[in-house]
Amino acid sequence: DVKVTQSSRYLVKRTGEKVFLECVQDMDHENMFWYRQDPGLGLRLIYFSYDVKMKEKGDIPEGYSVSREKKERFSLILESASTNQTSMYLCASSPDRSVSTDTQYFGPGTRLTVL
Amino acid sequence: SQQGEEDPQALSIQEGENATMNCSYKTSINNLQWYRQNSGRGLVHLILIRSNEREKHSGRLRVTLDTSKKSSSLLITASRAADTASYFCATDASSNSGYALNFGKGTSLLVTP
Repeated sequence: DVKVTQSSRYLVKRTGEKVFLECVQDMDHENMFWYRQDPGLGLRLIYFSYDVKMKEKGDIPEGYSVSREKKERFSLILESASTNQTSMYLCASSPDRSVSTDTQYFGPGTRLTVL
Repeated sequence: SQQGEEDPQALSIQEGENATMNCSYKTSINNLQWYRQNSGRGLVHLILIRSNEREKHSGRLRVTLDTSKKSSSLLITASRAADTASYFCATDASSNSGYALNFGKGTSLLVTP
């Protein structure tokens, strides 16, 4: 079974802090994704990566950066956390770009609260 | 950019009844997927239907796709309390790089015993 793990289930940080959210997948997937999920807004794509050291902006990249130094690990960085970044953060991975294997596998999520 | 839109936003039924959720999208797709999310958890893939397919079954799930109407439906038959969750449709909008999926806002399903 594919396993996607996220470093924390719950996280509380203060405004202005630098925050790292880590995601690790164990199935040698090429693609990895970070979403945030907010009530009434559904899932919105922040960044994704299709290879080591490659990254692409999603729909709402402002205030975030990412790092993919190793294939299995994709980190989301909040350079200076703000209260409007309080949200559920979901990491996902998918095997490759082939249409037949577009299924995404999700981690359990990190609920971040910024005070 | 979000492309899928689920309808209804919320659905409440009793155990044993069927639940139907709909998804509409705007641009051409290669495939459409449905995911389930239990409260406070990550999403779990349920089923994928390709653009050249019209109907697909998986256990108690039945998905239809009408590309002319740009819509899909998810039917859960003989629902159980354990089916209580949010359900999302996702499309691989061909306008982007092809790697990411666009998710709708979801239908919240409540199945009462």
